[in-house]
Amino acid sequence: EAGVTQSPTHLIKTRGQQATLRCSPISGHTSVYWYQQALGLGLQFLLWYDEGEERNRGNFPPRFSGRQFPNYSSELNVNALELEDSALYLCASSLGRRAYEQYFGPGTRLTVT
Amino acid sequence: AQSVAQPEDQVNVAEGNPLTVKCTYSVSGNPYLFWYVQYPNRGLQFLLKYITGDNLVKGSYGFEAEFNKSQTSFHLKKPSALVSDSALYFCAVRDINNAGNMLTFGGGTRLMVKP
Repeated sequence: EAGVTQSPTHLIKTRGQQATLRCSPISGHTSVYWYQQALGLGLQFLLWYDEGEERNRGNFPPRFSGRQFPNYSSELNVNALELEDSALYLCASSLGRRAYEQYFGPGTRLTVT
Repeated sequence: AQSVAQPEDQVNVAEGNPLTVKCTYSVSGNPYLFWYVQYPNRGLQFLLKYITGDNLVKGSYGFEAEFNKSQTSFHLKKPSALVSDSALYFCAVRDINNAGNMLTFGGGTRLMVKP
C-alpha cells in the first residue's frame, strides 16, 4: 500500500512569491492535515481538510491556505512568502475524521530566499 | 488547551541497553497519545498510540510506552536499543474533546545509540 506522497521534494522561492505544495493521501483516507516543521519552532498544526471541507485551522496568517480535491488530494498555498516560511511542510492523512492516528508523508522542504 | 513536554533534548544510550524517552502532557479532558519517529530528511513514522484500555501499549520495532494518568506521562521505552534506533522522537497529544483533530507535538528528543 502506497503511503502519503508529497511534491515537490524541494522548493526554492523568493520572498514575496507564492508556493504551492501538493499531497496525496493513503488510498481510502479522506482526511488530510498540514503541519509546518520550522527550525526552532517544532511541529505546528496548519490545516485540516476532510471530505473537501476545511475543518480546522492552526494559528497561521490567512496567506496560508489550501484546498482538498474530490479525490482527497490536497494542496497548500502560501502567498507573499516571507523568509520565516522556510520550513519542512508535512502532510498527513487519516482514515476519516474519527480516526486516531495520522500517517505522514516525507515532506516538502520550502526555502525562501 | 493541549500541550506536550519532552524534557530531554537528547538521550544517549549504549547498544543493547534499555532506553527511555520521556514525555509529559497537559489536556483539559482525556488524552489520545502518540509517538512518532523521524529519520534524517524524512517525514514522521507512526510508532504507537494510546487511546484507552491497557496502560502499556506496544508498537513498531519493539517499542512500547506506558500511560500514567496520575503523572500525566507517556514515556517511550525499549528493552534493548539498536544503533538503528538513533533518530528524532516526537510525542504528540490530542485532547479527546478536541474536535479539530489537531495533534500537538513536543519539541522532540534526539536518541543516540552508540555501538
